Amino acid sequence: DAEITQSPRHKITETGRQVTLACHQTWNHNNMFWYRQDLGHGLRLIHYSYGVQDTNKGEVSDGYSVSRSNTEDLPLTLESAASSQTSVYFCASSAQASGADTQYFGPGTRLTVL
Amino acid sequence: GNSVTQMEGPVTLSEEAFLTINCTYTATGYPSLFWYVQYPGEGLQLLLKATKADDKGSNKGFEATYRKETTSFHLEKGSVQVSDSAVYFCALEETSGSRLTFGEGTQLTVNP
Repeated sequence: DAEITQSPRHKITETGRQVTLACHQTWNHNNMFWYRQDLGHGLRLIHYSYGVQDTNKGEVSDGYSVSRSNTEDLPLTLESAASSQTSVYFCASSAQASGADTQYFGPGTRLTVL
Repeated sequence: GNSVTQMEGPVTLSEEAFLTINCTYTATGYPSLFWYVQYPGEGLQLLLKATKADDKGSNKGFEATYRKETTSFHLEKGSVQVSDSAVYFCALEETSGSRLTFGEGTQLTVNP
């Protein structure tokens, strides 16, 4: 069965370190998204991609970067981790660029920055 | 810009009670509207959706009607079960680009 996976599921790091969160989907979807989930804010879009070599900034992109070298993967990098980036991170994918297409979410990565 | 406002939680109900979770939105154009559900320790999954005014989305006993005149998409269920305990998110998709804007989420707890 097709799926979307994230790794690691839990991560503790220190302020100033570079951290990369992995997202891998086997749906062969063109669209991939990264969100962060914080109490009182719901999910907020960090970065998204509509295909290989395409990346775009979302609502809360400062301090984050992504790259899309193939269809299956969209790793999220925190260049220099800050305590404000402690959060739960979700990756999602969808097939089409528009038309109320369902987004499929990974299980999430809980990141703690000390 | 686009925004979604959900009723404040948490919401606690007894089994078989009627559920309403309010959702209103602000958007330009004609967005599609969604309800996603997040069970404990899991990612979000689509519960239902509606793509145009007066559409009704339904799934697993839950319903929501796209009301353009009141810019609302309230979630309802006639008789909740303990297994419905989860966080519910209302969301909209811009008319172009597939990006979702989420509400804050509403925690629902159903007691036996």
